[in-house]
Amino acid sequence: NAGVTQTPKFQVLKTGQSMTLQCAQDMNHEYMSWYRQDPGMGLRLIHYSVGAGITDQGEVPNGYNVSRSTTEDFPLRLLSAAPSQTSVYFCASSYLRHSTLNGYTFGSGTRLTVV
Amino acid sequence: AQSVTQLGSHVSVSEGALVLLRCNYSSSVPPYLFWYVQYPNQGLQLLLKYTTGATLVKGINGFEAEFKKSETSFHLTKPSAHMSDAAEYFCAVSEGNNNDMRFGAGTRLTVKP
Repeated sequence: NAGVTQTPKFQVLKTGQSMTLQCAQDMNHEYMSWYRQDPGMGLRLIHYSVGAGITDQGEVPNGYNVSRSTTEDFPLRLLSAAPSQTSVYFCASSYLRHSTLNGYTFGSGTRLTVV
Repeated sequence: AQSVTQLGSHVSVSEGALVLLRCNYSSSVPPYLFWYVQYPNQGLQLLLKYTTGATLVKGINGFEAEFKKSETSFHLTKPSAHMSDAAEYFCAVSEGNNNDMRFGAGTRLTVKP
């Protein structure tokens, strides 16, 4: 089925480890973004991209890196995991011209625990 | 930057009762406003949206919301709650530039039998 696919669904990391959260979409959406969801804080934007080769920071970018080498993929890298990065991470995408009309398509999330 | 405030982190209603979830926004330009619903262990699904035109918008599952510019509000309502409406609801605002959408903290709706 078409949509946004996130892997893995669950991950436990030790403090200081690095990892990459994967996000792929097959809808040819130009816009892709990463949010983290924490209790009582809703979703906060980490990084976003408006097309291949273009990325920008959101509200809470520290500790995370992104790249966009293809339209389909938008991986999120944690360089040195910290307990404060324990969260649920969501990837979202949309057509650039239609995002404000149709909203975003969200993946099912990655639940990350850093111990 | 734009922002959203959702009043009440938890709302509990009885089945068949009115559902009212409150959302106020801040935006420097005419906003685009959204309500999303999140069921347990799932991603967010678009419930309804306001872009331009009619200020009362209808969404899926019998929900509707009214854009009130003078009150900077976009409250979500449903006349009669159903058990299946139990979920977390997020209000979001976008100013359209760079498609940067900001979300509220969410309201968890509980429906009692």
